[in-house]
Amino acid sequence: DADVTQTPRNRITKTGKRIMLECSQTKGHDRMYWYRQDPGLGLQLIYYSFDVKDINKGEISDGYSVSRQAQAKFSLSLESAIPNQTALYFCATSDGGVETQYFGPGTRLLVL
Amino acid sequence: QKEVEQNSGPLSVPEGAIASLNCTYSDRGSQSFFWYRQYSGKSPELIMFIYSNGDKEDGRFTAQLNKASQYVSLLIRDSQPSDSATYLCAVNQDSGGSNYKLTFGKGTLLTVNP
Repeated sequence: DADVTQTPRNRITKTGKRIMLECSQTKGHDRMYWYRQDPGLGLQLIYYSFDVKDINKGEISDGYSVSRQAQAKFSLSLESAIPNQTALYFCATSDGGVETQYFGPGTRLLVL
Repeated sequence: QKEVEQNSGPLSVPEGAIASLNCTYSDRGSQSFFWYRQYSGKSPELIMFIYSNGDKEDGRFTAQLNKASQYVSLLIRDSQPSDSATYLCAVNQDSGGSNYKLTFGKGTLLTVNP
């Protein structure tokens, strides 16, 4: 089984809808991250969490919110989706040591 | 604003050749450096990381770091068509307790031609 899983893998939604992307990990890592990736661009950090009680904004947090339900679960919500949030979203985890990050398979989101 | 710059490519090499991928970074406080490989539509996967000046070898891959020049590179020897992917350089600043974040370059697309 994959160490980092994301659901759904693909999602089509309409402008104004609220959607949630979920991430689960079995690696036992404390740190979890949400990134978005647009074609031809690098990975941009949306939010990150060091533990259940510690959540921090990244570079592009506007329009997004997160919830760390447990050490193993970190969810990303788009409160009111807009077309420029169409992107590939990745969850990642790390053990906080060498900061090597391990990525989930990604969620491809299309906002119409 | 910390920046990580990569040539977007595409870089095209023949099978069996050495592919050389380059990355520069702006923050002199950067301490650790990572190379990720990303196949189209897939997630990034770690190839290797390097902390110290000099070379680090792992199989066909060699990472090179020059902190004075703020330059890190990845060499792929005996390139194979399966190496065709986008290679992402990532940089982390460990000092001051801020070792939470990797800054990624936009990636270099490598194509290995049979």
